[in-house]
Amino acid sequence: DAGITQSPRHKVTETGTPVTLRCHQTENHRYMYWYRQDPGHGLRLIHYSYGVKDTDKGEVSDGYSVSRSKTEDFLLTLESATSSQTSVYFCAISDVWTLTTGELFFGEGSRLTVL
Amino acid sequence: GQQVMQIPQYQHVQEGEDFTTYCNSSTTLSNIQWYKQRPGGHPVFLIQLVKSGEVKKQKRLTFQFGEAKKNSSLHITATQTTDVGTYFCAGNMGDMRFGAGTRLTVKP
Repeated sequence: DAGITQSPRHKVTETGTPVTLRCHQTENHRYMYWYRQDPGHGLRLIHYSYGVKDTDKGEVSDGYSVSRSKTEDFLLTLESATSSQTSVYFCAISDVWTLTTGELFFGEGSRLTVL
Repeated sequence: GQQVMQIPQYQHVQEGEDFTTYCNSSTTLSNIQWYKQRPGGHPVFLIQLVKSGEVKKQKRLTFQFGEAKKNSSLHITATQTTDVGTYFCAGNMGDMRFGAGTRLTVKP
C-alpha cells in the first residue's frame, strides 16, 4: 500500500464546531485529493492540490477548505460542521494528474459523525 | 452536473456464477478506471482503459471500454468469495467522476 496516513480515523463532533482532517503521504506525489463517500453517491471530489499552496475546488466544495503548506501534508477543514457533512472522507494521491493516466492511491479513510 | 451512472447498485450471486457491472456516461470519457473496495476498506485501483473498444483481462476479470468511450463494463467469471466488495468505475471527464458503485456479495 502507498504511504498515506489519515488522521483522525474516527471523529464524532457537534454541529457548528470546526474540524480538521489530515492527510500525510510519504510517496512525494505531487497531486493530492480529498473525497467524501456516501451511500448511493460513490466518491465525490471535494478539493484537490497540484502542488504546495496550489489547490482548487472539486464537485462538492461548499463548506470545506483545504491547505497544503508542504508536499506531504494536505489538510481538509470544515469551518462549522453540519450533519450533512457526516461521511467517510478519503484522501488520495497520484504521481500524475488524473486527466492523463493518474492512478489514485487512497488512504484508509476518516469516518466523521456530526451530531 | 455530469455524472457517471453505474448499475446495478447491488448484486448477490452464488459462488461460481458470473457477475457484471456497467457504467454509462452522457459525455465522452478520456479514460475510465475501475476500483475495488473491500468491506471496511479503501478503494484500490484495478485497471485503466483508454482506447475506444479496448478490452483488458486480469485473470477472471474482463474490462471493456465502449466504442464511443461513453460506457464500460467489468465482468467477473466464476465468482469467488474473495471477490466480495464494491466495484467502482471512475470516468475522466475533466476530473475523475465516480459511479455510485456495485456492491457484490457472494454466497458460498
